[in-house]
Amino acid sequence: QSALTQPASVSGSPGQSITISCTGTSSDVGGYNYVSWYQQHPGKAPKLIIYDVTNRPSGVSNRFSGSKSGNTASLTISGLQAEDEVDYYCSSYTTTSTPGVFGTGTKVTVL
Amino acid sequence: EVQLVESGGGLIQPGGSLRLSCAASGFTVSSNYMSWVRQAPGKGLEWVSVVYSGGDTYYADSVRGRFTMSRDNSKNTVHLQMNSLRAEDTAVYYCAGGISVAVQNYWGQGTLVTVSS
Repeated sequence: QSALTQPASVSGSPGQSITISCTGTSSDVGGYNYVSWYQQHPGKAPKLIIYDVTNRPSGVSNRFSGSKSGNTASLTISGLQAEDEVDYYCSSYTTTSTPGVFGTGTKVTVL
Repeated sequence: EVQLVESGGGLIQPGGSLRLSCAASGFTVSSNYMSWVRQAPGKGLEWVSVVYSGGDTYYADSVRGRFTMSRDNSKNTVHLQMNSLRAEDTAVYYCAGGISVAVQNYWGQGTLVTVSS
């Protein structure tokens, strides 16, 4: 099972909006609305910030939003803040040999 | 408050075995989907294994046949038995749990496994 494809890095200025893409196939991202996004600070465990493509767990800022079109899911961070400068991973259910797959990861830089 | 606490990591020689444990509190492992996810130094996340609430287990191609995930409902704990360890298995291993494979709400702090001679 190959990892989902994410850009290695995305940058933006404070207050701007950025979008991180996550490209898979019809066996994962495109076939099911089971895409999640995780935020990871250095040396810490990942934190779930979006699930089932568009849903936010309780306590997660509404500056984070998710969407999907075809085989590509996206995470948008609006009103970019310095604290958003960490790593982000998408994840999807998949019908291939392993039921779950992560993206390659994206480092967000706040200029 | 939900807590997942991993233990059992350490330094092991290639070809050796190690057993990781993940003890849960405030959360029932048998009612949820429990996963092991690893992260090699400086690398991304990799799904290792998952046990469904119904008991079925699944593995990544890279560990299938070498790793075995199990669940002890009486102790509210999951385990990962790792055999025939290789240098490429070196990583921080996280225990995670949630309402589905794709929704892993809760994560442990991770335990480091280093495979080296």
